[in-house]
Amino acid sequence: GIQVEQSPPDLILQEGANSTLRCNFSDSVNNLQWFHQNPWGQLINLFYIPSGTKQNGRLSATTVATERYSLLYISSSQTTDSGVYFCAARILTGGGNKLTFGTGTQLKVEL
Amino acid sequence: GAVVSQHPSRVICKSGTSVKIECRSLDFQATTMFWYRQFPKKSLMLMATSNEGSKATYEQGVEKDKFLINHASLTLSTLTVTSAHPEDSSFYICSARPSGNTEAFFGQGTRLTVV
Repeated sequence: GIQVEQSPPDLILQEGANSTLRCNFSDSVNNLQWFHQNPWGQLINLFYIPSGTKQNGRLSATTVATERYSLLYISSSQTTDSGVYFCAARILTGGGNKLTFGTGTQLKVEL
Repeated sequence: GAVVSQHPSRVICKSGTSVKIECRSLDFQATTMFWYRQFPKKSLMLMATSNEGSKATYEQGVEKDKFLINHASLTLSTLTVTSAHPEDSSFYICSARPSGNTEAFFGQGTRLTVV
């Protein structure tokens, strides 16, 4: 099945700093989503982005489907951005409807 | 976005008992729902795909007799952990997506502790 790898696995930032999280996937996809998992375990949908670029406030994401990667940008980070960020992908053919999750990036934003 | 509600959010049960977890799509119908399991500090692993009106499809290595899935209506799927043991303790999360929509939405998750 599809392999989804994220980097870096851990990241510590000072408040106000910018960061880029990366998601590599091993197959062509028709769905790529980014999530933020809060301390209570809830998965918050950040972006649905199988291709192209989207922005939502301080967050933006870009997926280059032909090169099989996606990036999540966090600008002017805040302590509330702390948590785990996951990307998840569904392959274009032969994979059914299931989303495969990446390995995650644990982000900690400090004052 | 669409809303998926999961209940209970937390449950503690004794070894040998069964626990039922509900997953509801509140504002859309879902012919397919998905159940994931997450171990501490790990990613989400798909356990099974729940299909309305038919049998669930289980991922390799998931015991279908241990994790019973029922999808009796277009808005409700249930996961029953049967004869629970401490190693079944985990965080379980369900997911659904509206028909014609490829974006998936997730429930709040259920933290199961078996003592």
